Amino acid sequence: DIQMTQSPSSLSASVGDRVTITCRASQDIRTYLAWYQQKPGKVPKLLIYTASTLQSGVPSRFSGSGSGSDFTLTISSLQPEDVATYYCQKYNGAPWTFGQGTKVEIK
Amino acid sequence: EVQLVESGGGLVKPGGSLRLSCAASGFTFSNYNMKWVRQAPGKGLELVSSISSGGSYIYYPDSVRGRFTISRDNAKNSLYLQMNNLRVEDTAMYYCVRDLNLLCGGDCPFDPWGQGTLVTVSS
Repeated sequence: DIQMTQSPSSLSASVGDRVTITCRASQDIRTYLAWYQQKPGKVPKLLIYTASTLQSGVPSRFSGSGSGSDFTLTISSLQPEDVATYYCQKYNGAPWTFGQGTKVEIK
Repeated sequence: EVQLVESGGGLVKPGGSLRLSCAASGFTFSNYNMKWVRQAPGKGLELVSSISSGGSYIYYPDSVRGRFTISRDNAKNSLYLQMNNLRVEDTAMYYCVRDLNLLCGGDCPFDPWGQGTLVTVSS
């Protein structure tokens, strides 16, 4: 099975900072990569799919890039409402594996 | 508005059973593949079962295969998860999720998600 590894596991940054989270797949998954945001106590929400397509309603400060096995989620200017855990997921067939998550906090 | 509403969670002893339900509305349920995803307290996300739109293709990871059974009733717009021989490690919030759209075939991200139903396995 393909494994998904995120880094870092957690980060603390200041409001306005540029934040980057990486996700590595153990095999080539082309661009079958999604990012989800889960705010504390809330349901996961789809942010980005096909590695770089923003889901409707997602602020433009979020962006995704990558293909093959290396992917990045970037928040261009961190806002207080972005405090959350972010998960990557491969979805090119079973098993639909998630990364372990990256917790983003405000410094 | 697309909605997924789970029910059926609760406290059960190890070895016990529970049946989760998910009521879907706001879209043509019979057209979409559906999944159950769980999240143990303070942990990450794990898919526990998947079923195709017509019910003919079903997937389970090793962690639940042989104990969990996913099913659907397209006439009732409902998804189910029968969980038998429950273990302490099955304690989690269980989410009903839908494939994002009909264009991605079987290779879809998950959206929307229901609010979840909590399953606690404890003696």
